[in-house]
Amino acid sequence: SQTIHQWPATLVQPVGSPLSLECTVEGTSNPNLYWYRQAAGRGLQLLFYSVGIGQISSEVPQNLSASRPQDRQFILSSKKLLLSDSGFYLCAWTRVGADTEAFFGQGTRLTVV
Amino acid sequence: GQQLNQSPQSMFIQEGEDVSMNCTSSSIFNTWLWYKQDPGEGPVLLIALYKAGELTSNGRLTAQFGITRKDSFLNISASIPSDVGIYFCAGQSREAGGFKTIFGAGTRLFVKA
Repeated sequence: SQTIHQWPATLVQPVGSPLSLECTVEGTSNPNLYWYRQAAGRGLQLLFYSVGIGQISSEVPQNLSASRPQDRQFILSSKKLLLSDSGFYLCAWTRVGADTEAFFGQGTRLTVV
Repeated sequence: GQQLNQSPQSMFIQEGEDVSMNCTSSSIFNTWLWYKQDPGEGPVLLIALYKAGELTSNGRLTAQFGITRKDSFLNISASIPSDVGIYFCAGQSREAGGFKTIFGAGTRLFVKA
């Protein structure tokens, strides 16, 4: 069966520090991968999605970047965090080639102080 | 970009009451999905809809894929306290190389016993 791992679960970082959140998927190959952000009490905002290694589409201009160095690994990064980067970050994956649901990781709660 | 308008934003109901929420968009989607999110967790899929006009049930939940492919609704019958949470609709559209999933802002449901 397929599983998705996301870490860390919580993170407190000072303003101006770098960020690296990692997401890996097991049990499937060539998944579509997504990073979403959920501000407190708000909906899910799509940040990045990737259909393959090295292929990243950005939905919203921002202080963040994403990379896909391996087929089942998706990384969300920032060189210098802003207070507004605080939120709940969710990684998700979908199968390629068919209409299908997205499966989510447990999320990372990032607090920038 | 694509957007989903989900309503209502929040609902306060009595245990046993029925609930209805919906999503609309100016864009056409291949798939409509409904998720529930508990606090501090990633969303979990409730119902997936793959065809225009499709009506699908999952226990006390019923969802429909609108004929125009631009809307969907979710009904919860005879609500219980554990129904509390945030419900998200999501639309999936075919993009180059894969599918992109966009979420509504969520409906926050409160159930009073």
